[in-house]
Amino acid sequence: DAGVIQSPRHEVTEMGQEVTLRCKPISGHNSLFWYRQTMMRGLELLIYFNNNVPIDDSGMPEDRFSAKMPNASFSTLKIQPSEPRDSAVYFCASSLASGANVLTFGAGSRLTVL
Amino acid sequence: AQKVTQAQTEISVVEKEDVTLDCVYETRDTTYYLFWYKQPPSGELVFLIRRNSFDEQNEISGRYSWNFQKSTSSFNFTITASQVVDSAVYFCALRRTPGNTGKLIFGQGTTLQVKP
Repeated sequence: DAGVIQSPRHEVTEMGQEVTLRCKPISGHNSLFWYRQTMMRGLELLIYFNNNVPIDDSGMPEDRFSAKMPNASFSTLKIQPSEPRDSAVYFCASSLASGANVLTFGAGSRLTVL
Repeated sequence: AQKVTQAQTEISVVEKEDVTLDCVYETRDTTYYLFWYKQPPSGELVFLIRRNSFDEQNEISGRYSWNFQKSTSSFNFTITASQVVDSAVYFCALRRTPGNTGKLIFGQGTTLQVKP
């Protein structure tokens, strides 16, 4: 199994630009999570999906952030317009939809907004 | 409210020393799962262990051991005879079940530095 695949691994952009992060979960996993990691706030859950349906987006910072999961094998996290404070590592994770199941994380996408 | 506290921000030890990383959690759920993840300098998050709230047996895996005490809401992690390769950030996490099965709530992490 290839694991959770995220792209791009690194993104440098200028303030105001649109950023799209992509995630391919492990085949068969029906829960998908987006986390953000910063020095100040640690690992924060932004949003998660069960069976492609957003369940909890209370962690999404503001309207500039949006996430979609059009099918079981693909999800995007979009930031428009981006701001310097959005600079962080964004992790995607997937699991089977049960609290007992382990989340498997992707390698992360490091975003730098200048 | 769900919360995980890792009071130790950074720990530095010399190789071959034993080290314990503390984790205290808060939850009103009677059923839940606890996890430890490792984040080495390369940045990925690596799963180490899962423990359910009904199983208070300690667990040992090689040089790693975990002590779960429900009475004190703690799930501590001990590395015996530490090695330089153990240098990483370690996260304790809590996941609710059943019902709201989604959120994995992380502590702030403990940075472990093992010096040769």
